[in-house]
Amino acid sequence: GAVVSQHPSWVICKSGTSVKIECRSLDFQATTMFWYRQFPKQSLMLMATSNEGSKATYEQGVEKDKFLINHASLTLSTLTVTSAHPEDSSFYICSARAGTGVNQPQHFGDGTRLSIL
Amino acid sequence: AQKITQTQPGMFVQEKEAVTLDCTYDTSDPSYGLFWYKQPSSGEMIFLIYQGSYDQQNATEGRYSLNFQKARKSANLVISASQLGDSAMYFCAMSSIYGNNRLAFGKGNQVVVIP
Repeated sequence: GAVVSQHPSWVICKSGTSVKIECRSLDFQATTMFWYRQFPKQSLMLMATSNEGSKATYEQGVEKDKFLINHASLTLSTLTVTSAHPEDSSFYICSARAGTGVNQPQHFGDGTRLSIL
Repeated sequence: AQKITQTQPGMFVQEKEAVTLDCTYDTSDPSYGLFWYKQPSSGEMIFLIYQGSYDQQNATEGRYSLNFQKARKSANLVISASQLGDSAMYFCAMSSIYGNNRLAFGKGNQVVVIP
């Protein structure tokens, strides 16, 4: 159980393109989903917290207009990187959590490797 | 504020041996949870084990066990009988109410299992 699907796995596109990444919880309802960014050989950096039906909460320094997050249902959150540029190239990974307690693990998707040319 | 510290350099472990990964944390929250995740080179984050701050016993999950020493604020992961597939980055993380239940991650430990 607790499977999270993230799509696509790889994206290579030209500078200026907008890229949408989907994160789905397949066998549970996720009250909260999270979006992270990870640079090579570094830890995960939280970008934003997404709650179903409400606006995402962005971490300090993350551009809201650059990284659009929509959490339309209890099983789907999307991250859109708008007008992507080479500096946006990174590994993006989402997670989903069923409940709200400190004992609830986050279950992660497989991540998306984004390369902007 | 929550802080997770993982300072060990990369580790080479002989297959079938046990390995201990260190994790210390800092929080003033009375209630918190500690997690370990595994990240192979393919990138996915795999949840391994959880320890609650009020749990009296150390958590175990198959070959994984957590050595929880609350007074020392440490939550070390022990992997017994290492396998080649255990080669990965391992991240310690903490969730707490004061942190809005977001996960604070350590920098990770690199483990390479050699035959």
